[in-house]
Amino acid sequence: SAVISQKPSRDICQRGTSLTIQCQVDSQVTMMFWYRQQPGQSLTLIATANQGSEATYESGFVIDKFPISRPNLTFSTLTVSNMSPEDSSIYLCSTRETGPNTEAFFGQGTRLTVV
Amino acid sequence: GIQVEQSPPDLILQEGANSTLRCNFSDSVNNLQWFHQNPWGQLINLFYIPSGTKQNGRLSATTVATERYSLLYISSSQTTDSGVYFCAVVRAAGNKLTFGGGTRVLVKP
Repeated sequence: SAVISQKPSRDICQRGTSLTIQCQVDSQVTMMFWYRQQPGQSLTLIATANQGSEATYESGFVIDKFPISRPNLTFSTLTVSNMSPEDSSIYLCSTRETGPNTEAFFGQGTRLTVV
Repeated sequence: GIQVEQSPPDLILQEGANSTLRCNFSDSVNNLQWFHQNPWGQLINLFYIPSGTKQNGRLSATTVATERYSLLYISSSQTTDSGVYFCAVVRAAGNKLTFGGGTRVLVKP
């Protein structure tokens, strides 16, 4: 199983600023994923981050708002840009090996509040 | 995309009671997981169970892939079982984990 360290665990940010969230995995993984969980809601996939290629964004999410980096097979960052109160959510990173029958693991999450 | 529906949406239990949570999905899957989200927002892996039955302590899960549903059983519930339980699946030939809406469980002492 993969162990994922995500930071910060929580932050309170001013509107208009940006926050970068980091995820470090204890082993090399092909796929990393970023999710958003709005208050009282389920998890929604933001994008898939593969090393050596551009992230693939889901409908409703754009690179200008949520730029992602994946410099190597153990690390990824998600930036929430030009924040507004509507961006207040829990953001989680996840990994899963390629292949049809592989288990997903999640970081501890980042609880973001925008004021 | 694949639809994942969980029921019931909310569940209130007295400590010591048993309960069953259900997850229905709309297409064939090659991955199904159950998670518990604690009050701090952390997702805890409970079961990786694309088919069959597994047990871990007071929790067990069964997935009937041919009928497109999974069940999570909680026996002798404790207050620490409170939180939100999510079912998530990967559609066959896909690679994205899609979550259900969750079941919010409150266990009262």
